[in-house]
Amino acid sequence: DSGVTQTPKHLITATGQRVTLRCSPRSGDLSVYWYQQSLDQGLQFLIHYYNGEERAKGNILERFSAQQFPDLHSELNLSSLELGDSALYFCASSAGTGTGGYEQYFGPGTRLTVT
Amino acid sequence: AQTVTQSQPEMSVQEAETVTLSCTYDTSESNYYLFWYKQPPSRQMILVIRQEAYKQQNATENRFSVNFQKAAKSFSLKISDSQLGDTAMYFCAFTPRSYNTDKLIFGTGTRLQVFP
Repeated sequence: DSGVTQTPKHLITATGQRVTLRCSPRSGDLSVYWYQQSLDQGLQFLIHYYNGEERAKGNILERFSAQQFPDLHSELNLSSLELGDSALYFCASSAGTGTGGYEQYFGPGTRLTVT
Repeated sequence: AQTVTQSQPEMSVQEAETVTLSCTYDTSESNYYLFWYKQPPSRQMILVIRQEAYKQQNATENRFSVNFQKAAKSFSLKISDSQLGDTAMYFCAFTPRSYNTDKLIFGTGTRLQVFP
């Protein structure tokens, strides 16, 4: 158990819908990262938050957005869903500020299926 | 662009034998970090080993060790005394030392099967 929790574990929804994935980091970790793992794109970095501040964006679609709340949990919002958005979405957290290559602890992931 | 390449999509090894997984990366940075992550069938991502680029000494964690060749931009993982529980996808990952983010850039993975 990494100490990072993600809900829900599984999500099945239809094209065009909107979903919210939730992540609670390990106690004390201020950095939260979101990654997408799909069959054709592999593991891709989406976005990094540090203590509520957006630090970096990767290949995140405009239909996707995220935020980190004052209690440090984070949410990833996916809208106007397409079949190609079906993937495993990981949240990770670390004790780092974004500079030191700290270990990232991964949650169990949310499996999103768009039908 | 910073990229990570794992040229072996699949590998297999017999229990108790040694296997080496390859990884190369491309970056213009001089200071960075390299990682190997394991993803067993449960899909959980687990850190196996971490290497700091400015350290000459190769990292070791029990049966896992790396061969880090900075000039060649190579970072291979050696698993000694392979166990059935080592069966998993292995991802090589890179993060530059920066002032802003330590996002991970992953390779495409190597699927390792350990046979009894």
